[in-house]
Amino acid sequence: EIVLTQSPATLSLSPGERATLSCRASQSVSSYLAWYQQKPGQAPRLLIYAASNRATGIPARFSGSGSGTDFTLTISSLEPEDAAVYYCQQRSNWPRVITFGQGTRLEI
Amino acid sequence: EVQLVQSGAEVKRPGESLKISCKGSGYSFSSNWIGWVRQMPGKGLEWMGIIYPGDSDTRYSPSFQGQVTISADKSISTAYLHWSSLKTSDTAIYYCAREGAAAADYWGQGTRVTVSS
Repeated sequence: EIVLTQSPATLSLSPGERATLSCRASQSVSSYLAWYQQKPGQAPRLLIYAASNRATGIPARFSGSGSGTDFTLTISSLEPEDAAVYYCQQRSNWPRVITFGQGTRLEI
Repeated sequence: EVQLVQSGAEVKRPGESLKISCKGSGYSFSSNWIGWVRQMPGKGLEWMGIIYPGDSDTRYSPSFQGQVTISADKSISTAYLHWSSLKTSDTAIYYCAREGAAAADYWGQGTRVTVSS
């Protein structure tokens, strides 16, 4: 099973700052990686698919990069509403086993 | 508009059975995979399994194989997650999501399941 490790576990930043969230896979997942945002009491929301493609309606301040085993989600200028937990997810064996990272909590 | 609407919260005793549902609308339900995700209290997301309603092809995470059953009724655009004998450790929020090769792009609102004696 492919294991995803996210870092840091918690990130505390101020509005307007840049956030960099990391996701590392235990083996190559090519570009089959997605990022989701989850706010308290809400369902997850898709942000990024195929490593670097923004989902419909996602603001341009969110961007994804990487391939193989190392991936990054960048939020260029933080807004207060970006406070959430962010999860990466690998889909290299879809529709077989899919795995999530353990999440990064972003505090604004 | 694509929507996935899940059934309401449940409170059950250990050993009881339960089936929760996820009804899709606004898209071709039969032609899109539906996945299920567990979130235990205060914890992260865990992928449980996936079903293709068109032919009921079903895949499970090894962690959930034999613990739950995923099914679908394409005639009423509804997917299900079923337990035959609940445990206290099944207490969690369960989400369904429309799955494509690239991502789970639409999610249900979640169903809270509480199992307690």
